[in-house]
Amino acid sequence: GESVGLHLPTLSVQEGDNSIINCAYSNSASDYFIWYKQESGKGPQFIIDIRSNMDKRQGQRVTVLLNKTVKHLSLQIAATQPGDSAVYFCAETGGGADGLTFGKGTHLIIQP
Amino acid sequence: ETGVTQSPTHLIKTRGQQVTLRCSSQSGHNTVSWYQQALGQGPQFIFQYYREEENGRGNFPPRFSGLQFPNYSSELNVNALELDDSALYLCASSVDRYQETQYFGPGTRLLVL
Repeated sequence: GESVGLHLPTLSVQEGDNSIINCAYSNSASDYFIWYKQESGKGPQFIIDIRSNMDKRQGQRVTVLLNKTVKHLSLQIAATQPGDSAVYFCAETGGGADGLTFGKGTHLIIQP
Repeated sequence: ETGVTQSPTHLIKTRGQQVTLRCSSQSGHNTVSWYQQALGQGPQFIFQYYREEENGRGNFPPRFSGLQFPNYSSELNVNALELDDSALYLCASSVDRYQETQYFGPGTRLLVL
């Protein structure tokens, strides 16, 4: 079946550096994409979203890029801080009642 | 904080038993979705309820059922528990069934022995 996946299970970065987390999706009908952050023992926390009619969207310290040609999504975190340590999931949906399809997640580790 | 709460936080059951998990959505959110998250995996969509009716379902058997109430609360019921049902169960609320942005609760950790 179609699913959303991630390239790397773990990403280790130095505090203050920029982080880039990647995601590949295979459902060409997907038109809405979300990045969630999940800290240990907590539910997923909404970070940023993007619709398929856009290729870039910026938030506070975060940027999401969407490349529909290669079905690739990325999350950029600027000036990574210790509080950014978490598992990051991309999720996609075609809308409506089908629910969100999540990837397996990337564990972001911040080194001092 | 998302304003979505779940109870209990942890639960231990034995194989064959039944369990009910509860969720309280954000006020004004008419849609609730339930997800199962196995250890080390992303959440898997179980089903969605809109205005007290099941509105969509993932690849889960009928022993997973739900209820949604007018007061923004909902339940996930699982019958005949299996060992593989051990997971974190998450509920997420959204404004309506076409609002894809879903806000998650902290989850209920279920262990089936």
